[in-house]
Amino acid sequence: DSGVTQTPKHLITATGQRVTLRCSPRSGDLSVYWYQQSLDQGLQFLIQYYNGEERAKGNILERFSAQQFPDLHSELNLSSLELGDSALYFCASSAHRPGVGSGNTIYFGEGSWLTVV
Amino acid sequence: QQQVKQSPQSLIVQKGGISIINCAYENTAFDYFPWYQQFPGKGPALLIAIRPDVSEKKEGRFTISFNKSAKQFSLHIMDSQPGDSATYFCAASKRNNNDMRFGAGTRLTVKP
Repeated sequence: DSGVTQTPKHLITATGQRVTLRCSPRSGDLSVYWYQQSLDQGLQFLIQYYNGEERAKGNILERFSAQQFPDLHSELNLSSLELGDSALYFCASSAHRPGVGSGNTIYFGEGSWLTVV
Repeated sequence: QQQVKQSPQSLIVQKGGISIINCAYENTAFDYFPWYQQFPGKGPALLIAIRPDVSEKKEGRFTISFNKSAKQFSLHIMDSQPGDSATYFCAASKRNNNDMRFGAGTRLTVKP
């Protein structure tokens, strides 16, 4: 158990709908990351937050947004869903502090399976 | 755009053999290179990592070889076991940040 909790584990929704994925990081971790894993594209970095502030952005679509709350949990909002958004969405956390070097282990949750029909 | 290129996409090895997975990167701002292991239904987990100031790191049966001039690094799994069957991802993160960029993954199957 990595200590990163994601809900829901599975979600089926229709095209055009909006969903919210939730993540609780490991106790004490201030950095939260979101990744999308699809069969043909591996692990795609979406976005990183540190202590409530956005720190880095990857291949995140404009239809997607995320935030990190004062209690450090994070939510990934996916809207106007398309069939191609079906994927496994991972949240991860680390003790990394921006500007203080790299190399902190990133711990992944077990993911949220999203199926868009 | 894949910032870290990984090959092969899949690999089948006999028990006891050596599994080799290769990765290449372009961005010289990367200064931390981990390998993650993912079993079906689970999230990726850190296996072993290296920084560019060393050319090799070994932990048990797992070794990372790093070639800074060629901007390549590889994972060697010695005496491969069926329990090593998983998907392996190489990754890289930049100096002073931790937004890890992953390769496309290699599905390793170790046959008994």
